[in-house]
Amino acid sequence: AQKITQTQPGMFVQEKEAVTLDCTYDTSDQSYGLFWYKQPSSGEMIFLIYQGSYDEQNATEGRYSLNFQKARKSANLVISASQLGDSAMYFCAMGFYNQGGKLIFGQGTELSVKP
Amino acid sequence: DSGVTQTPKHLITATGQRVTLRCSPRSGDLSVYWYQQSLDQGLQFLIQYYNGEERAKGNILERFSAQQFPDLHSELNLSSLELGDSALYFCASSVAPHGEREQFFGPGTRLTVL
Repeated sequence: AQKITQTQPGMFVQEKEAVTLDCTYDTSDQSYGLFWYKQPSSGEMIFLIYQGSYDEQNATEGRYSLNFQKARKSANLVISASQLGDSAMYFCAMGFYNQGGKLIFGQGTELSVKP
Repeated sequence: DSGVTQTPKHLITATGQRVTLRCSPRSGDLSVYWYQQSLDQGLQFLIQYYNGEERAKGNILERFSAQQFPDLHSELNLSSLELGDSALYFCASSVAPHGEREQFFGPGTRLTVL
């Protein structure tokens, strides 16, 4: 079965602190990609970061880093130095190279950043 | 701004009707994906086109159909609409055919079926 699990429906973090959003996945495919998207209250989906299943180094994009542990099938998002504008819904997704790259999404984690 | 455009932004219609949602991908992107986001189902993949050809199909109802035109824009047609079709419909585009690269999402079309 192909599945993405985000176990934290909601999280709070203090401004300027780091926060980790959890994501685990299940697949028997060897080639896949892991993605994180941000959805603010305005509704758009904003791409944050990507990790390929064969990438040995963890991906980083500015304040975002992806903690990829292949053996544990986890792809946690770390946001450093949280900002008020980081308050949003965050979705973990998995893409399958042998299926055109369709994404399956987790249920999301709502992050609230406190001043 | 992702560079992906979707029209209309909002659509309100009645049960039994038919609507067409339109998407223009980012310049240079050949892959177009359609997703549906609803409160009960979450985000679900519907269908993918690459350079005019259907590449992958997900949980797309038979009442729904899509196509990608030679200029690479895509349309999603929803017919015999039901209350449960009310959702946010996203189009996304990517330069890669197999998902090796990120997908950029448009702003979405919010469909309300009354």
